[in-house]
Amino acid sequence: GIQVEQSPPDLILQEGANSTLRCNFSDSVNNLQWFHQNPWGQLINLFYIPSGTKQNGRLSATTVATERYSLLYISSSQTTDSGVYFCAVKETSGSRLTFGEGTQLTVNP
Amino acid sequence: GAVVSQHPSRVICKSGTSVKIECRSLDFQATTMFWYRQFPKKSLMLMATSNEGSKATYEQGVEKDKFLINHASLTLSTLTVTSAHPEDSSFYICSATGTNYGYTFGSGTRLTVV
Repeated sequence: GIQVEQSPPDLILQEGANSTLRCNFSDSVNNLQWFHQNPWGQLINLFYIPSGTKQNGRLSATTVATERYSLLYISSSQTTDSGVYFCAVKETSGSRLTFGEGTQLTVNP
Repeated sequence: GAVVSQHPSRVICKSGTSVKIECRSLDFQATTMFWYRQFPKKSLMLMATSNEGSKATYEQGVEKDKFLINHASLTLSTLTVTSAHPEDSSFYICSATGTNYGYTFGSGTRLTVV
């Protein structure tokens, strides 16, 4: 099956700093989503981005499908951004989403 | 937007008993539902995929007789953990998708077996 690798596994920032999270995948996909899992376990959908660039406030994401990677940018980080960020992809065949191992982000005041 | 409701959010049960977790799509018809398990500080692992009206497809290594999945309608899927043991304690999350809808996740169920 498809492999999804996220980096870095852990990231500690001071409030106000910017960061870039990366997601590499091993095969063609027709669905890529970025999620934020809050401390209560809820998965919050940040972006549906199988290709191209999208922005939502302080967050933006870019997927280069031909090179099989996606980036999530967080600018002016806040303590409420802390949590685990997951990238999940769906291969062009099948219906399952495959998750990466996540990036644990801690933003300190 | 699409909403998936999952209940209960937290349950504690005794060893040997069974627990049922419900996953409902509130405002769309979920043709396919997924059940995931998540261990502490780990990623989500797909347990099974279920399509309305048909048997679930389980991932390799997942015990079909222990984790019973029913998807009887386009808005409801249930996961029953039978004869629960402490090692079944985990965080279980459902997801649903339908025509013209992406993947929407429930809020999860934290199961503790004592």
